[in-house]
Order: sequence, then C-alpha cells, then structure tokens
Amino acid sequence: QVQLKETGPGLVQPTQTLSITCTVSGFSLTSYYMQWVRQTPGKGLEWMGFIRSGGSTEYNSEFKSRLSISRDTSKNQVFLKMNSLKTEDTGVYYCARGYNNFDYWGQGVMVTVSS
Amino acid sequence: DIVLTQSPTTLSVTPGETVSLSCRASHSIGTNLHWYQQKTNESPRLLIKYASQSISGIPSRFSASGSGTDFTLNINNVEFDDVSSYFCQQTQSWPYTFGAGTKLELK
Repeated sequence: QVQLKETGPGLVQPTQTLSITCTVSGFSLTSYYMQWVRQTPGKGLEWMGFIRSGGSTEYNSEFKSRLSISRDTSKNQVFLKMNSLKTEDTGVYYCARGYNNFDYWGQGVMVTVSS
Repeated sequence: DIVLTQSPTTLSVTPGETVSLSCRASHSIGTNLHWYQQKTNESPRLLIKYASQSISGIPSRFSASGSGTDFTLNINNVEFDDVSSYFCQQTQSWPYTFGAGTKLELK
C-alpha cells in the first residue's frame, strides 16, 4: 500500500538549515509528482513546492530563495532543504503525493525553530 | 496569489444535520478546487477533487459543487466522526493556496 513518512530534526536553531526526508513506498517517484506542504500557526497550510515525476522542480516564490527539493529514486526518497530558518518557520512539514490534488500525505514532522 | 476565503470559521452542529461550507476564490479558478478534511493531530485527507469529483473510500454523505469563484462542500447527516477542520485548495495557478479552514464542532 502507499505510504509516506517524513523524518527530520525536530529542533533547529534560527539561521540554520532544515533538512527533511520523505521516504515513500507502494509507488514509484518516477510516476508521481511529490509535494511539500507545511502548516504553521501563523499562516496555516502553505504549499512550498514540488518535484515532478521527471525530476524538475517548482517552488512557491515565498520560499524560492531558500528552498531546495530533490530526490533519490533508488532509495524512494524525496528531500526538502530550507536555509536561513526563522522562528516563523516553526510548524508541521508534510510531503504529499500528486500533481494538484494530493491523494496521500505523510504523517508530518514537527519542526521547532528556536535557540 | 489566489486567495481562498472559507466561511464560516467555525460551525457548531447537531448530529444528523446537513451542513454547507463555503470557499470563495479571489479570481476564477474553474474547477481546480479540492477539499480536504483534517482531524486533530492528523494529516489532511483528500475528500473531493476538482470541485465535485468524489474520492474512493470517502463516505457518500460528502459532496461538493461549484465553479469559478464560489464553491460549497456539503455534509449530509453529520456524524461524530466528522468533527474536523475542512480546507479548500486551489491548483489553478502557482502558488497553490489553501483556505484558512472551517472547523466543524458538534453540539
């Protein structure tokens, strides 16, 4: 069955870089777009960006200068990296599957940005 | 960016009632509007895609309609299990955006 699971650091210091891995099973990354969505107290659900089945990416301009999405298809993993973290980046980060409607979501990983 | 405005913010209903949740877009988005349910401490779950298309495994009491700028999610015969927040999402243009949600509570 389709499964997605995010793993990440939990606590990150301001100005540092966030790295989250989404490990998937039950489908191929070369057949589906993969999305990153976050949910913060300040802005609610925010679409961050995606990586296409072919490997190219698209980002929300809100994050474009500090966000990177990549993947390793051999390991069934998708990666999010975001630098220059601020306290406002505190929230739950999700990976999800789909081009526009997101039919499967990971459980999410809570990230706290604090010194 | 396309702004989605959901109303009401909170809805308190009695089990068995039928309710309608609204989502309005700041620009026309055709039918590129999707609805999600999110229970407390859970991930969002896709309920409806493309404004009115049902999703396998979702109870038939959930239905939706609309196009352009005005969209509605209907829940017939509300059950205790429906206590959740409901979000709309547009994928007409980047950046994809979500509404702020409607929280459904039971009396």
